[in-house]
Amino acid sequence: DAKTTQPTSMDCAEGRAANLPCNHSTISGNEYVYWYRQIHSQGPQYIIHGLKNNETNEMASLIITEDRKSSTLILPHATLRDTAVYYCIVSVYGQNFVFGPGTRLSVLP
Amino acid sequence: GAVVSQHPSRVICKSGTSVKIECRSLDFQATTMFWYRQFPKQSLMLMATSNEGSKATYEQGVEKDKFLINHASLTLSTLTVTSAHPEDSSFYICSATKPGQGNEQYFGPGTRLTVT
Repeated sequence: DAKTTQPTSMDCAEGRAANLPCNHSTISGNEYVYWYRQIHSQGPQYIIHGLKNNETNEMASLIITEDRKSSTLILPHATLRDTAVYYCIVSVYGQNFVFGPGTRLSVLP
Repeated sequence: GAVVSQHPSRVICKSGTSVKIECRSLDFQATTMFWYRQFPKQSLMLMATSNEGSKATYEQGVEKDKFLINHASLTLSTLTVTSAHPEDSSFYICSATKPGQGNEQYFGPGTRLTVT
């Protein structure tokens, strides 16, 4: 079973920020939080990862709560091409990924 | 960057035949490669973990004699589906771990296998 829980689906208006939550209340001290997304019939695309500090890259920002029991992926200006299934995964050093059902994000025009 | 390729992208084979799928890390040396399977409308499921020069570690319920994995170099892993059956039809995806902080996995584009 996945160690994370995410909403099944979310909608976001094009141009607005998309905030995708993830709960990982049983995360261990040495587990990272990884975010990926999958567009239909393609391999998952790496977005971002973090341990305890907030992280930002050219694709997104990752906000991890101080107790590390939850996190939020932020896509600052969602476009139609961001429509995908988003997966939140916790893992020790990238090993043994367990994919849950993820969040299906629909960006609406 | 971190690019992972797979070949072929799609393949159709007859029951009882074997199919080989290649996974390559193009611009980095991968310490570990992984193989996943994804059925329609389902999430990815890890099949096995592969380290260069050693035997693959298979997840519970995955037959190692049916899904042969060879990790010949730090940039190449192959999955051979032996004696394929229609129920093996699926989307097979590999990933490679890029060494560094966090060891994130980078995924290939996937291979669509159809067994007739």
